Order: sequence, then C-alpha cells, then structure tokens
Amino acid sequence: LAKTTQPISMDSYEGQEVNITCSHNNIATNDYITWYQQFPSQGPRFIIQGYKTKVTNEVASLFIPADRKSSTLSLPRVSLSDTAVYYCLVGVGGATNKLIFGTGTLLAVQP
Amino acid sequence: GAGVSQSPSNKVTEKGKDVELRCDPISGHTALYWYRQSLGQGLEFLIYFQGNSAPDKSGLPSDRFSAERTGGSVSTLTIQRTQQEDSAVYLCASSLRLAGGPIDEQFFGPGTRLTVL
Repeated sequence: LAKTTQPISMDSYEGQEVNITCSHNNIATNDYITWYQQFPSQGPRFIIQGYKTKVTNEVASLFIPADRKSSTLSLPRVSLSDTAVYYCLVGVGGATNKLIFGTGTLLAVQP
Repeated sequence: GAGVSQSPSNKVTEKGKDVELRCDPISGHTALYWYRQSLGQGLEFLIYFQGNSAPDKSGLPSDRFSAERTGGSVSTLTIQRTQQEDSAVYLCASSLRLAGGPIDEQFFGPGTRLTVL
C-alpha cells in the first residue's frame, strides 16, 4: 500500500504561490493521486486529482513527475481563506478500496 | 442539490454503550465511505461500500465496529460497547465511483463528533 509523506506545516503570505509536495515512493501502477482541503470542523473538500504529468483546474495545479513517486500541489496567489490542512491521497483503483491519507500539511497564510 | 448529511452531529455516550451513526449520501452516488478522524490527526479509512456491498472492510479497527448500507443509499455505522479510544469525528463521504472504476471525487458530510465518557 502506498504511504504518503508531507510536510507537517507551511507558512505563506497573501498573494504568494504555494507549493506543497507529497512523497509516495511505493505508488502502484493503478493509483491516482488526489488532494483534499480541510477547514476546522468541516469534512475535507476535493481539490484536484491526477495520474501523471500536469493537471490544472480553477483553483490549483498538480504536478506529477514521470516516476510518480511524488506530486506537488500548487496554489496560485493564496489568500487568508486558503489557511487549512491539505491532504495528499493515494488510492488503489479497482474493486477494492484502501485509501491512505497523508498526515496532512497545515498551511498558514498571513497578511 | 443536497450534500451528504450525517446524524447526529454530536453524540456523547458512556463507555460500554452502543451507538449508531447515520449517513445519507448524495442521491445517485453508488460509492460510500466511512472515515474516522481523531483530534489533531489525519483521516483513517474505515470501510467502503459499492451499492449495498462492502468490498473492503479492512479499515474497521475491531469487531465492535460494523456498518451496513441499505437500498444503495443510507448507511449506518454501529459501534458496540464503546470505549474512550473510540472518541473521534466520524466522517462519511459518497461518490459516483462505479465498481472497478478509479477513485473519483468524494463528497464529505459534516461528520459526527462522538465523545465516549
């Protein structure tokens, strides 16, 4: 089972680009990489998902190198409301489902 | 439309009692997941339902934990003989994922905060 490793915390300032890297050395061939955001007292919210190379949506970009042993979530021009815990998730596709959330990265955005 | 709902939002119980936690997924979502989150910790996967079947129950921490899903919709997580270490927020999520399909976006409910005294 693929285990993930993320920094415990990161600090940033409003307007900066933030990159959070997740390590998943044992990722399997059919695993997807997904990132979630969680605010206090709320359930996680999906941000982005990818399998390889680069994926971009309206809120973030996800960069996955060719070996897929890591991934980087990029948040452009963060604001105070982006302060949250960000989880990297690597799961097994197919009929079974073992989802492993990383420890999560607490991003603190300051004015 | 309505999101995932969970009830109760808070549950305080005494050690040794049984509790039932309910999850109402988004209509039409075939996949349903239960997670547990202890204070200051990440999410711990418990169980995954595809329709009414649970292909993977390996995340359930002990035989005191069980879950069922009926009609491909509502799910109930039951904890028997609760212990203090069961105190956590129990989160439910649902998705459109089809059997054998890749992991897709999961929509989480607000959670049930369980406190075992």
